[in-house]
Amino acid sequence: AAGVIQSPRHLIKEKRETATLKCYPIPRHDTVYWYQQGPGQDPQFLISFYEKMQSDKGSIPDRFSAQQFSDYHSELNMSSLELGDSALYFCASSLGPGQVFDEQYFGPGTRLTVT
Amino acid sequence: AQKVTQAQTEISVVEKEDVTLDCVYETRDTTYYLFWYKQPPSGELVFLIRRNSFDEQNEISGRYSWNFQKSTSSFNFTITASQVVDSAVYFCALSEGAGGGADGLTFGKGTHLIIQP
Repeated sequence: AAGVIQSPRHLIKEKRETATLKCYPIPRHDTVYWYQQGPGQDPQFLISFYEKMQSDKGSIPDRFSAQQFSDYHSELNMSSLELGDSALYFCASSLGPGQVFDEQYFGPGTRLTVT
Repeated sequence: AQKVTQAQTEISVVEKEDVTLDCVYETRDTTYYLFWYKQPPSGELVFLIRRNSFDEQNEISGRYSWNFQKSTSSFNFTITASQVVDSAVYFCALSEGAGGGADGLTFGKGTHLIIQP
């Protein structure tokens, strides 16, 4: 079965640089979520999109922005990177709110290292 | 505010033993959803189960079973006859569904389960 695709899988950036992470949801899923997981930590919710509109917002720094495109893929843009941004970034997708089976399925993650 | 507590940071058992992972949650909503995810050493997050707040039926799936008790705000997970492949970090998570939007999950800190051969 098709899964959530994230690219790149690994990314190394220097402080103050920018990074763009991409997420391609499972076919027919119109809802995308972004999470950040620091080393040894639980995943922290950043932001979600439903039908290309921002739906819920968590602890996303102002330096980060995201959007969902017409084909439902999503991109997380991160600017002025800091050492503390080094983490595993997960994208998840679901069928959307109100659906009987709207559980979130996670992608393999993008490991971002900021040096 | 919603909160998920997994008091067991790490559990180590010998293969074939049964093990229960505890999860206690806090929420002010009457409509909410509870989840369990598995994160093996490879790092991906694997969906195991989703339960809504109106369905207190226990569920069994093979060696896995879940006990949801609203009276104690708990959603515990039991693995029967554990196997080495069950070694992973297990996360309990909560989302409040009353808003009608694509709500993010609030995760517990996770329980690191080690199954020794």
